[in-house]
Amino acid sequence: GENVEQHPSTLSVQEGDSAVIKCTYSDSASNYFPWYKQELGKGPQLIIDIRSNVGEKKDQRIAVTLNKTAKHFSLHITETQPEDSAVYFCAASIAGADGLTFGKGTHLIIQP
Amino acid sequence: GAVVSQHPSWVICKSGTSVKIECRSLDFQATTMFWYRQFPKQSLMLMATSNEGSKATYEQGVEKDKFLINHASLTLSTLTVTSAHPEDSSFYICSAREREEQFFGPGTRLTVL
Repeated sequence: GENVEQHPSTLSVQEGDSAVIKCTYSDSASNYFPWYKQELGKGPQLIIDIRSNVGEKKDQRIAVTLNKTAKHFSLHITETQPEDSAVYFCAASIAGADGLTFGKGTHLIIQP
Repeated sequence: GAVVSQHPSWVICKSGTSVKIECRSLDFQATTMFWYRQFPKQSLMLMATSNEGSKATYEQGVEKDKFLINHASLTLSTLTVTSAHPEDSSFYICSAREREEQFFGPGTRLTVL
């Protein structure tokens, strides 16, 4: 089955700086890669996703890149703000078919 | 994005009792819903896939007789934890699929005494 590795487990950045979280996946059949933000005691919130026919996608301060050959994808958050503090999860699946396989999560801390 | 609700948001029960958790897609129809479990400070683990009108499919290691899933309509799936024990205490989260995207509910915190 699919295996998703996520790094780092904790990331602390100064407010206004950029944050990058990286994930790798094992199953070459996976073609859908969402990113979720989870605040304490709440369900995950979809923030951005990318499909394997696209190399990069951007939505305001958030961007995701995908390297199919290397089987890795990354989340980039620019101009970080205090409200960006949360746990971020990457995930992989075969679109329209399977449930998601999640990475272990990254606790992002924005230092004022 | 699409909205998914769960009920209850938290529940405390005695060991040996059964607990039912509801998952609803509020503004779209979902032929497929998923149930995940999350232990403290850990990631989400897929438990089962719930398909409307058919039997759920369970991930390896998840007891289908203990975690009963019913997906009776296009907007409702239920998870019943039967004969709950303290080790079943966890955060249970459902998701509903719309096209390729999965939208998650707010989760249900189950504590078994």
